[in-house]
Amino acid sequence: AQRVTQPEKLLSVFKGAPVELKCNYSYSGSPELFWYVQYSRQRLQLLLRHISRESIKGFTADLNKGETSFHLKKPFAQEEDSAMYYCALEDFNKFYFGSGTKLNVKP
Amino acid sequence: DTGVSQNPRHKITKRGQNVTFRCDPISEHNRLYWYRQTLGQGPEFLTYFQNEAQLEKSRLLSDRFSAERPKGSFSTLEIQRTEQGDSAMYLCASSFEGGNIQYFGAGTRLSVL
Repeated sequence: AQRVTQPEKLLSVFKGAPVELKCNYSYSGSPELFWYVQYSRQRLQLLLRHISRESIKGFTADLNKGETSFHLKKPFAQEEDSAMYYCALEDFNKFYFGSGTKLNVKP
Repeated sequence: DTGVSQNPRHKITKRGQNVTFRCDPISEHNRLYWYRQTLGQGPEFLTYFQNEAQLEKSRLLSDRFSAERPKGSFSTLEIQRTEQGDSAMYLCASSFEGGNIQYFGAGTRLSVL
């Protein structure tokens, strides 16, 4: 069965500190993985997907098939990064989300 | 087109009543998804449509739940004989066929008393 695990419910860092939000998955095949973000009072939106191999708002995520991970990283957190972050996996047009990590960036 | 629209935003109902939610996707999108999200959890897949065809339903979707997309445009999700366990945020998302970027609505929050 497909599963996405985000082990941290809450991550608090100071502004300017590095951030890593963890995501592990279980999937028998080549996964398509995504990070979605939900800012306060806004709807869920795509942050980035692994296939694009791009950096969005300074965030990057690398797929590590050996460790079945897709951790989200940013070298210097900003206060506006405070939000809920969800890792998601696509399996034949169905999407499975992790339980989310709340990132709190303190001034 | 301002994105995916969901109505109502909030619904309070008594146990045993039927409720219906509506989702209007982005007009060019032919895929439409329904999710349920409970407190502290991520969205859980319920079902999805490609045009008017309902292609897959999750085992989470009991026979009290039914979804339709009659003309391949808007969709409705009906819950019959609501139970307190149905209280959740119901999210709709749409995408292009062959595309895997989902655009979410703001959701309908259901409270069953």
